[in-house]
Amino acid sequence: DIQMTQSPSSLSASVGDRVTITCRASQSISTYLNWYQQKPGKAPNLLIYDASRLQGGVPSRFSGSGSGTDFTLTLSSLQPEDFATYYCQQSYSTPYTFGQGTKLEIK
Amino acid sequence: QVQLQESGPGLVKPSQTLSLTCTVSGGSISSGGYYWSWIRQHPGKGLEWIGYNYEIGRTDYNPSLKSRATISVDTSKNQFSLKMTSVTAADTAVYFCAREDTMMSWRYFALWGRGTLVIVSS
Repeated sequence: DIQMTQSPSSLSASVGDRVTITCRASQSISTYLNWYQQKPGKAPNLLIYDASRLQGGVPSRFSGSGSGTDFTLTLSSLQPEDFATYYCQQSYSTPYTFGQGTKLEIK
Repeated sequence: QVQLQESGPGLVKPSQTLSLTCTVSGGSISSGGYYWSWIRQHPGKGLEWIGYNYEIGRTDYNPSLKSRATISVDTSKNQFSLKMTSVTAADTAVYFCAREDTMMSWRYFALWGRGTLVIVSS
């Protein structure tokens, strides 16, 4: 199985901050990397697919980059509704695997 | 607008079979190109892919489940289902049904149900 490791596991930030979350794959996955946002009691919501393509309806303050084994999710200017947990997921091969999550909290 | 909704018992006894159904509304499950999937989340933990059913009869499962999971599609009811045998407390989780979309070679879970909590306990 491909292991996905996110860092940090948790992060405190303020509204208006720029935040970066990192995801590392245990082997090269090209750009088969997706990012999701999950709020408490809700299902995950797709933000980015193919490492950098923004899903329809997702604000442009979200962006993704990377290829191979190292990827980043950047939120350019945090809004109150962005405080949530973020997961990366590889779709390179089954079994699909997710990172352990990064919880973004209000400072 | 296509929506997914899970249903099934919220409590299952150890060693029994967990059975969940996902109803697809606002669209046809027979539409091509989608992988009908189940994903679970243990309490306070991350996400675990269980498997998918694609084009009826083509399935793939997480080997970690040791062949206990079966995903089937019922086109007449516009539903797909998960059965997991020989459950233990370790199977207690929120179970999500999801639609995996494909675009060219990209694949991603674009649509999710709200999730249903299943507790395994006697």
